[in-house]
Amino acid sequence: EDQVTQSPEALRLQEGESSSLNCSYTVSGLRGLFWYRQDPGKGPEFLFTLYSAGEEKEKERLKATLTKKESFLHITAPKPEDSATYLCAVQEIGAAGNKLTFGGGTRVLVKP
Amino acid sequence: DGGITQSPKYLFRKEGQNVTLSCEQNLNHDAMYWYRQDPGQGLRLIYYSQIVNDFQKGDIAEGYSVSREKKESFPLTVTSAQKNPTAFYLCASSREFGYTFGSGTRLTVV
Repeated sequence: EDQVTQSPEALRLQEGESSSLNCSYTVSGLRGLFWYRQDPGKGPEFLFTLYSAGEEKEKERLKATLTKKESFLHITAPKPEDSATYLCAVQEIGAAGNKLTFGGGTRVLVKP
Repeated sequence: DGGITQSPKYLFRKEGQNVTLSCEQNLNHDAMYWYRQDPGQGLRLIYYSQIVNDFQKGDIAEGYSVSREKKESFPLTVTSAQKNPTAFYLCASSREFGYTFGSGTRLTVV
């Protein structure tokens, strides 16, 4: 059974204090790993898709990396507007309905 | 602009009542999904549909029902059999990789 575990559950940062979020996964064959950002009371917003170990993608202050067992979301010099819950999800090769399996999320609070 | 529209944004239900949550997409996506999100927990799959007139149970389908009569629409009914329906419900659609999400419906049982 697919498992996705995110850590830490919550992260408090000072503005400018860089940090990393972890997403560990167990899947038979990875089709893709997805990162989403979710603001309170809203639907998740797509950030990145990673397909194979060694792949990296960047967007503004965010950088996602992938290994065979985990993915990291690095937040460089965060600003208060980066405060959100970050969700990780995996899609397994051959998954019924192409469904995604989500982790529990990491709540990030960036204080000015 | 293409997207997914969920309505209503907030919904209150009395115990014993059925309620239906609306989800409409104009992205021309074949697959649609319903997830439930509880505080501090990840998204859990309720039902999904890959084509019109066909749908499959997800991990927590008990107490829920769906229909897929049109490609654009995938309504979710929360029945009185659902023991703990208070949650944030998210609809999503997909062409192949990843999802596009709606803005969610917060259901509260009063």
